[in-house]
Amino acid sequence: DAGVTQSPTHLIKTRGQQVTLRCSPKSGHDTVSWYQQALGQGPQFIFQYYEEEERQRGNFPDRFSGHQFPNYSSELNVNALLLGDSALYLCASSLTSEPFQETQYFGPGTRLLVL
Amino acid sequence: AQSVSQHNHHVILSEAASLELGCNYSYGGTVNLFWYVQYPGQHLQLLLKYFSGDPLVKGIKGFEAEFIKSKFSFNLRKPSVQWSDTAEYFCAVITNRDDKIIFGKGTRLHILP
Repeated sequence: DAGVTQSPTHLIKTRGQQVTLRCSPKSGHDTVSWYQQALGQGPQFIFQYYEEEERQRGNFPDRFSGHQFPNYSSELNVNALLLGDSALYLCASSLTSEPFQETQYFGPGTRLLVL
Repeated sequence: AQSVSQHNHHVILSEAASLELGCNYSYGGTVNLFWYVQYPGQHLQLLLKYFSGDPLVKGIKGFEAEFIKSKFSFNLRKPSVQWSDTAEYFCAVITNRDDKIIFGKGTRLHILP
């Protein structure tokens, strides 16, 4: 049973560019959450998708957007990249009818470096 | 704003020592509480969680945590650590105010063999 997978594993971009990160949830899971983890910090919640809609959102600007596909996979898009967007981006999946009421399974993350 | 504080950024212990990692949150209402662990080279994974009921929660690998509402705390404990417990530990909370999970900054635990 494949767990949560993310691609790419590493990415280097320059300021102002746009980036798309991808996540495939654990088999059978229907909810995907995205987190940003800066160096030395805990994960910060970006948003959560359920039934192809954004259900919850953290304190992140509109430059951060997402999408969930009918097969439950998800994308995180970041526009107009800033140096401060450099971080590890984590995806987590769960099977739930209520936000965060079930165990979330995390992927390995995508490490983004903005130069 | 709601927040989670983990008191120790780095902890070094010898094998068989007892462990207690502190976690405090700032919110007076109903909370769900979690401890996550990230072993070297592995994904973040759930160690234990508290939603309601018995405030003493048992998790995997012999870990437990106690929810003390009056102290806004959810400390993680293990009576005798092993070298394999070397990892980074994150406390997290969800409040009934907005249902958004908030993580602490983490505690790096290093166990000496």
